[in-house]
Amino acid sequence: DVKVTQSSRYLVKRTGEKVFLECVQDMDHENMFWYRQDPGLGLRLIYFSYDVKMKEKGDIPEGYSVSREKKERFSLILESASTNQTSMYLCASSFEVSGSGQETQYFGPGTRLLVL
Amino acid sequence: DQQVKQNSPSLSVQEGRISILNCDYTNSMFDYFLWYKKYPAEGPTFLISISSIKDKNEDGRFTVFLNKSAKHLSLHIVPSQPGDSAVYFCAARGNAGNNRKLIWGLGTSLAVNP
Repeated sequence: DVKVTQSSRYLVKRTGEKVFLECVQDMDHENMFWYRQDPGLGLRLIYFSYDVKMKEKGDIPEGYSVSREKKERFSLILESASTNQTSMYLCASSFEVSGSGQETQYFGPGTRLLVL
Repeated sequence: DQQVKQNSPSLSVQEGRISILNCDYTNSMFDYFLWYKKYPAEGPTFLISISSIKDKNEDGRFTVFLNKSAKHLSLHIVPSQPGDSAVYFCAARGNAGNNRKLIWGLGTSLAVNP
């Protein structure tokens, strides 16, 4: 079974703090993703990575950065947390069946972040 | 501009009956579709997928139907169980070379009543 773990289930931070969210997958997947989920807005992609040290912006990258120094680990960084970054953060990893276009993302349990 | 639409925010069915969740898409380049289930305070769980070369895929109580001409897919759950109560997300992926992003619907909240 694919296992994606996230460093915290719940986190409370103050406005202006630097926040690190860690994600680790154990299936040697090439691709990793960070989403946030908010009521009525579905899943929105923040950043993703196809390989170590590679990163690409998703749909809402503003206020976030990422780091992928090792294949199994993908970190999301909030440089200066703001109240509008209060959300559920979801990490996922995936692989593509070679050339098929068939790629399934597997998610971690999520981190519920509250910024006060 | 939503490319994947789940027009019903919520659905309620009786235990033992069929649940039908619908999803429409606008981009004819999408060629792989997935359904995920999500409980509150948990990450989404992959349920079932279908490639555009098929019109049906079945896995136990879950069947996904794809109608490419209508750009419509549906998830059937038979029989529905109270444990199926969750939010269901439809997602689609294009076949463009560098497009590895999934495009997500906003979800349908399913309540299965005992």
